[in-house]
Amino acid sequence: GNSVTQMEGPVTLSEEAFLTINCTYTATGYPSLFWYVQYPGEGLQLLLKATKADDKGSNKGFEATYRKETTSFHLEKGSVQVSDSAVYFCALSGEGGGNKLTFGTGTQLKVEL
Amino acid sequence: EAGVTQSPTHLIKTRGQQVTLRCSPISGHTSVYWYQQALGLGLQFLLWYDEGEERNRGNFPPRFSGRQFPNYSSELNVNALELEDSALYLCASSLRTGGLQPQHFGDGTRLSIL
Repeated sequence: GNSVTQMEGPVTLSEEAFLTINCTYTATGYPSLFWYVQYPGEGLQLLLKATKADDKGSNKGFEATYRKETTSFHLEKGSVQVSDSAVYFCALSGEGGGNKLTFGTGTQLKVEL
Repeated sequence: EAGVTQSPTHLIKTRGQQVTLRCSPISGHTSVYWYQQALGLGLQFLLWYDEGEERNRGNFPPRFSGRQFPNYSSELNVNALELEDSALYLCASSLRTGGLQPQHFGDGTRLSIL
């Protein structure tokens, strides 16, 4: 079945540092890939998506590229802010999993001044 | 555009009771999904409804059930509540065009079982 593996957290960075959160997946065919963010006490917000190989999703300074050859979708941001502190979830859907989202375990990010 | 709305925001129940959670999707979305976010278990898919029909079901016992109404809103029912049902229940909606369309989430209902 489908599965998503994310790097373990928590990740603590200083403001303006570079962020990478690793995500790899196992799936049949060509799933769609997503990053969601969850702020304390809230639901999930869609951060970015990619639907085919070599697509780059981007939003609010965050980027991730769909790499079919390495089955990866790593999240990056060049300069994090304190307001980016949240839990980040990598997810996939489609192809063999129907419409349901399969999530990674989430990576907590804490950004300090 | 109004987002996905869920009610109530919090619920406290005791073991053996029954609960109903409600979800209104984004206008124009016909698919509704339910997920459970339990401490230590991550986000688990529960149910997918589209056009009033159950389309897919996660690995949960039959006491978890639901339905979708003609206006595409949805209810999740949980019978015979157990302590391990304590979790944040998230509803999401999407356009019905397969897995390519992103799902948009509500803020969830936090269910506590005493």
